[in-house]
Amino acid sequence: GEDVEQSLFLSVREGDSSVINCTYTDSSSTYLYWYKQEPGAGLQLLTYIFSNMDMKQDQRLTVLLNKKDKHLSLRIADTQTGDSAIYFCAEWESSASKIIFGSGTRLSIRP
Amino acid sequence: SQTIHQWPATLVQPVGSPLSLECTVEGTSNPNLYWYRQAAGRGLQLLFYSVGIGQISSEVPQNLSASRPQDRQFILSSKKLLLSDSGFYLCAWSSRDTFTDTQYFGPGTRLTVL
Repeated sequence: GEDVEQSLFLSVREGDSSVINCTYTDSSSTYLYWYKQEPGAGLQLLTYIFSNMDMKQDQRLTVLLNKKDKHLSLRIADTQTGDSAIYFCAEWESSASKIIFGSGTRLSIRP
Repeated sequence: SQTIHQWPATLVQPVGSPLSLECTVEGTSNPNLYWYRQAAGRGLQLLFYSVGIGQISSEVPQNLSASRPQDRQFILSSKKLLLSDSGFYLCAWSSRDTFTDTQYFGPGTRLTVL
């Protein structure tokens, strides 16, 4: 069945780059997403990438897609304390017509 | 612009009591609507989705139900709450005018069942 996997935790020093990784199983995925959830809040769409793209950059965020390995990553440059949150990877499961979410990666920033 | 509202923001209910959570969307017509539950420290579980008024699909069998009485209103209900119903409930919408089904989330309702 469909599955999206992420590591549960990531700790990064303030000012360094954060790289959050995700793997998915559906080779027919057309869209892949990154959402951010701050404590006690809903999910905020950060960015998405179409499956025919390898990379997408938006200010401090860079998304890399390796379709061969079914690997998606989110890089946050110059990580700030405001980046502390849970980051969810998700894929559009075309066969089921629904979005499948990973379990989320909790990013913590240390001084 | 589109906005999505959920209320209440927090709720504490005793076991066996009924539940009604409401979600409304503004600024769009004919949206797809979704209810998710997020248990503490865990990912999202899709509970229900709706592609139109009165059209509800259930993803997980449980003691919850959903209804869509109006185009932009989505309600999550229970007749008798269980302890295991505690969690963070998120409503989301997506546009049927796009292929991506990109979902936009509301602020959530924190439900504690005691």
